[in-house]
Amino acid sequence: GDSVTQMEGPVTLSEEAFLTINCTYTATGYPSLFWYVQYPGEGLQLLLKATKADDKGSNKGFEATYRKETTSFHLEKGSVQVSDSAVYFCALSTSNFNKFYFGSGTKLNVKP
Amino acid sequence: DAGVTQSPTHLIKTRGQQVTLRCSPKSGHDTVSWYQQALGQGPQFIFQYYEEEERQRGNFPDRFSGHQFPNYSSELNVNALLLGDSALYLCASSVTGVIHEQYFGPGTRLTVT
Repeated sequence: GDSVTQMEGPVTLSEEAFLTINCTYTATGYPSLFWYVQYPGEGLQLLLKATKADDKGSNKGFEATYRKETTSFHLEKGSVQVSDSAVYFCALSTSNFNKFYFGSGTKLNVKP
Repeated sequence: DAGVTQSPTHLIKTRGQQVTLRCSPKSGHDTVSWYQQALGQGPQFIFQYYEEEERQRGNFPDRFSGHQFPNYSSELNVNALLLGDSALYLCASSVTGVIHEQYFGPGTRLTVT
């Protein structure tokens, strides 16, 4: 079945460090891939998405490239800020009905 | 324009009781999906409603049921509550035909004691 696996956290970085959060997927068909962010006490917010192979999603300095050959969609940011501290979820959707499969989440702590 | 809203924000129930959670979709959206997010886990798909009918369902028992009203708002009902039902319940809305665009509400935190 369809599933997403992402690196376990927490990930602790100093401000301005480089961030990578790994995400791999298993899917039938051709999924779209997403990163969502959940700030403390808030709901999920779409961070970025890619709908086909080799697409790069980007937003707020975060980037992720849809790699079909490695079934991966790793999240990267060149210089993290304290305000980036949150839980990040990788997700996929393979249907037209917007049924999403989420990874277990990776908590990011950024220290000043 | 209000986004997806959910009520109540928090809820405490006792084992065996029944609970109803409510969701109002984003304006213009006609599809509502419900997710359960256990502590420290990612959201898991419960079911989806479109045109007042359940269109898709995840791997959840029949104790979980729902409803969609003509104004597209939705309810999630859980009967015979178990301790393991304690979680954050998220509602997401979208527009059928506009794929892969889904907006989440802030969730309802359900605690079963």
